[in-house]
Amino acid sequence: EDKVVQSPLSLVVHEGDTVTLNCSYEVTNFRSLLWYKQEKKAPTFLFMLTSSGIEKKSGRLSSILDKKELFSILNITATQTGDSAIYLCAVEAQWGNKLVFGAGTILRVKS
Amino acid sequence: DTGVSQDPRHKITKRGQNVTFRCDPISEHNRLYWYRQTLGQGPEFLTYFQNEAQLEKSRLLSDRFSAERPKGSFSTLEIQRTEQGDSAMYLCASSSHREQYFGPGTRLTVT
Repeated sequence: EDKVVQSPLSLVVHEGDTVTLNCSYEVTNFRSLLWYKQEKKAPTFLFMLTSSGIEKKSGRLSSILDKKELFSILNITATQTGDSAIYLCAVEAQWGNKLVFGAGTILRVKS
Repeated sequence: DTGVSQDPRHKITKRGQNVTFRCDPISEHNRLYWYRQTLGQGPEFLTYFQNEAQLEKSRLLSDRFSAERPKGSFSTLEIQRTEQGDSAMYLCASSSHREQYFGPGTRLTVT
């Protein structure tokens, strides 16, 4: 059965800190890994990763995939209180098909 | 706003009643997905459509659940004879290629 595990489950940091969120997976036919940010409503798309070793970057957020070791990390630098959210990792096991999500990492950034 | 929309946003119902939720995807998206999310968990896949065809259903989708997407546009998810265990956030997502974009969700509370 396809499985996605995120760590840590929750994290509290101060504004300006850098955080690293982890996602490991076991799937039968890996196609892509996606990161989402969820505040009090719908998950919003951050990144899609398909190739190992290629960093995707958007502002203070960046992510990279290691297909050999079956994990991905999401980095957030110079954190702000607006970064407080649940960060979800999901894996697409077939083209255009369902996503298998991890339980998420709850990030709280204190001012 | 041209994002995914869902209606209603909140629904409180008594055990045993039927409920129906609606999802309007982004207009050019041919794939539509339903997920269910409970507290502390990531979204779990329920079913998905490509145009009007329902291509996959999770084993989580008991015979009390039915989903339709007539004409390949909006979709409805009906739950018959609701149970307290059905209380959750029901999320709809749509895609045209790979990234799935989520709607705001319908929060169902069964009393």
